[in-house]
Amino acid sequence: EVQLVESGGGLVQPGRSLKLSCAASGFTFSNYYMAWVRQAPKKGLEWVATISTSGSRTYYPDSVKGRFTISRDNAKSSLYLQMNSLKSEDTATYYCARHADAGDWFAYWGQGTLVTVSS
Amino acid sequence: DIVLTQSPVLAVSLGQRATISCRASQSVSISSINLMHWYQQKPGQQPKLLIYRASNLASGIPARFSGSGSGTDFTLTIDPVQADDIAAYYCQQSRESPHTFGAGTKLELK
Repeated sequence: EVQLVESGGGLVQPGRSLKLSCAASGFTFSNYYMAWVRQAPKKGLEWVATISTSGSRTYYPDSVKGRFTISRDNAKSSLYLQMNSLKSEDTATYYCARHADAGDWFAYWGQGTLVTVSS
Repeated sequence: DIVLTQSPVLAVSLGQRATISCRASQSVSISSINLMHWYQQKPGQQPKLLIYRASNLASGIPARFSGSGSGTDFTLTIDPVQADDIAAYYCQQSRESPHTFGAGTKLELK
């Protein structure tokens, strides 16, 4: 059974940093692209970052480019999101997601971790 | 960016058909491949993949869910609607980056 378990969320002040983690199990982690998708309170979904199987390629929307960094450790079956220069608009539940085998949709999702950016 | 437009709310009776639409600001199809996908999200839960590439049912999803469409207009159909289907439904395109989502349609009971 595919399992994705996020951790690392919490309350952080504007301008500060936070690092999220996602522990994966139930599949061969190194074979799949992975992603982070976020959801602001009572709002819709926003793709935040994607990383290739080896970690050599990363992709971001303009809203987080230059501030967020996605990374992975295939030996530990773990995915990470380093978030710097946080803004109030980054407040959201952050989901770890596994890309599908054959394309850029999200076949499996974790339960999410809440990040609140506030002074 | 490709903008996906969904109606905010759809009210339906149990046992009836629900038709949820998603319109893209530009085509999300390449040749015959329609790069539109659908997710279900129940309150307090993570999203779940329902349909990929417009019409393919994801693993474990009941056959009362189906998807159709091409180009800019896509539809998710639930027939018949059951109580367990009350949730928000999101479309997502993977035609180009950034991979955008619609704002979601909340399925409610009449």
